[in-house]
Amino acid sequence: KAGVTQTPRYLIKTRGQQVTLSCSPISGHRSVSWYQQTPGQGLQFLFEYFSETQRNKGNFPGRFSGRQFSNSRSEMNVSTLELGDSALYLCASIEGTGVSNEQFFGPGTRLTVL
Amino acid sequence: GDSVTQMEGPVTLSEEAFLTINCTYTATGYPSLFWYVQYPGEGLQLLLKATKADDKGSNKGFEATYRKETTSFHLEKGSVQVSDSAVYFCALSGPPQIPTFGRGTSLIVHP
Repeated sequence: KAGVTQTPRYLIKTRGQQVTLSCSPISGHRSVSWYQQTPGQGLQFLFEYFSETQRNKGNFPGRFSGRQFSNSRSEMNVSTLELGDSALYLCASIEGTGVSNEQFFGPGTRLTVL
Repeated sequence: GDSVTQMEGPVTLSEEAFLTINCTYTATGYPSLFWYVQYPGEGLQLLLKATKADDKGSNKGFEATYRKETTSFHLEKGSVQVSDSAVYFCALSGPPQIPTFGRGTSLIVHP
């Protein structure tokens, strides 16, 4: 089986812009979760989608949003970028129906905000 | 809120040494506990998990036991190899908790 695919792998944006990141989960997996990883805060949960519905949400401002399509692919969007949004954004494909099941992580998208 | 605390790194060991990485947690309810490993330039991979008290997760020579009385899930390996050099993350999840990760512990193993 192919693993989790995230595109793009690297992205450079300027403050105030918006960005969309994409994640394709493992075939057959219907749940996707998103995380932000920074040296200062570690790995923080953004949100989880299951069958096109957001099922769980972390403590991030409304500038961070996501969606999931009928083929389970997911996108996350960050609007009005701030310098502090520079991070590695990880997507995880979840086997089973909840985040207590194993998560298969993609390689991440490295976002740099200038 | 829920939290996971890991020992700070880096942990530096010689090959074949014994490894312990401490992890303690606070959570409501009865979460599942996980150890993930992240090799340089890669995403996280599940190393092992335990879903209830006294369960022992094990994989590739690594072990961790879910200790509810001490709220701990320490990672151990009897003999580390250079290829074990990576960052290790302790995590909890399961309703009602959202997934919560520790800050990660870097392990460096010298030949």
